[in-house]
Amino acid sequence: GDSVTQMEGPVTLSEEAFLTINCTYTATGYPSLFWYVQYPGEGLQLLLKATKADDKGSNKGFEATYRKETTSFHLEKGSVQVSDSAVYFCALIRSAGGTSYGKLTFGQGTILTVHP
Amino acid sequence: NAGVTQTPKFRVLKTGQSMTLLCAQDMNHEYMYWYRQDPGMGLRLIHYSVGEGTTAKGEVPDGYNVSRLKKQNFLLGLESAAPSQTSVYFCASSFPQGIYEQYFGPGTRLTVT
Repeated sequence: GDSVTQMEGPVTLSEEAFLTINCTYTATGYPSLFWYVQYPGEGLQLLLKATKADDKGSNKGFEATYRKETTSFHLEKGSVQVSDSAVYFCALIRSAGGTSYGKLTFGQGTILTVHP
Repeated sequence: NAGVTQTPKFRVLKTGQSMTLLCAQDMNHEYMYWYRQDPGMGLRLIHYSVGEGTTAKGEVPDGYNVSRLKKQNFLLGLESAAPSQTSVYFCASSFPQGIYEQYFGPGTRLTVT
């Protein structure tokens, strides 16, 4: 079945440091890929997405590129802020077909803490 | 727009008790979902609905039932709560195409003692 694997956390960085959170996936067909963010005490919010190979999703200084050849969708940010402290989830949806349609498969989440 | 709302925000149950979690959305979304979030396991889909009057099982449906009598509401029921159902429950909704994002509610923290 479909699966998403994220790098182990937690990740602790100083403000203005470079961030990478690795994400790899296993899925049949051509899934759409997402990064969701969960701030403390809140529900998940979509951070960025990519729907086909080589697409780059970007938002709020975060970027991720859909790499079909390595089945990866790594999240990066050049300079993190304290306000980026949150839990980050990589996820996929199969692009079409059957009972999987529209159902997100999540990674286990990576806790990011940014210190001043 | 309120987006996706969930009631209640917190609840403590004793083993064997029952309860219903309510999810409401005002975005006219066709699809609605119930997830549970447990430490180190991400979110797992319990049940989902692709339209009013329809429901389907997700990844971890045992011990839960759902109903979608109105398009805007999706109810999650626990008939006989067990400590293994202690979790944070999230409702989400979306348009029917997979490329559209899912909008999440703020969550319900349930503890079963």
